[in-house]
Amino acid sequence: EAQVTQNPRYLITVTGKKLTVTCSQNMNHEYMSWYRQDPGLGLRQIYYSMNVEVTDKGDVPEGYKVSRKEKRNFPLILESPSPNQTSLYFCASSLLLAGGLGEQFFGPGTRLTVL
Amino acid sequence: AQSVTQLGSHVSVSEGALVLLRCNYSSSVPPYLFWYVQYPNQGLQLLLKYTTGATLVKGINGFEAEFKKSETSFHLTKPSAHMSDAAEYFCAVSDPGTGNQFYFGTGTSLTVIP
Repeated sequence: EAQVTQNPRYLITVTGKKLTVTCSQNMNHEYMSWYRQDPGLGLRQIYYSMNVEVTDKGDVPEGYKVSRKEKRNFPLILESPSPNQTSLYFCASSLLLAGGLGEQFFGPGTRLTVL
Repeated sequence: AQSVTQLGSHVSVSEGALVLLRCNYSSSVPPYLFWYVQYPNQGLQLLLKYTTGATLVKGINGFEAEFKKSETSFHLTKPSAHMSDAAEYFCAVSDPGTGNQFYFGTGTSLTVIP
């Protein structure tokens, strides 16, 4: 089954404790991305990657890191989480088309609470 | 940067009534356009998309949307609302003119009144 998986689905942590949220896709998509969803703000792009070893900042990259060492995996790293990073996080992947990005396939989401 | 505007953060319709959710984008170059739906406590599911070709696009669950270049709009409609349509709806844009980012509107929460 074609899918994007994220782990963990729920995470409660404390300020400053490094954490990693994993993301994996099995569709051989070139493009992967991380979003955070906050009430009234919709989804905002954190980082994206067009292929292995190619990553770029989205609209809200501060406080986050990513890596793309393999095509299928795109982990999100919070090296020193703060309460303002409490949010619902989505990983997504898509094909790169000639005229732009194809539809994004989304993971189930990770609800992060930073105390 | 691209901007995507969804007019009305909350829309209420009666069961059986027309659903109209509005979306406008700012790109001068026709982008790729998408509507996603998010049911409570779930991820995002694609409703429909426009890339090229016919400007009236049909999606799942009886929804459709029309790309109007002159109005830079991509409004979502459904002739007859069903209780199961209650959800959050997001318009999104992939704009080749501004790189490879994907831009979402802030969402419209649809309530269906029995």
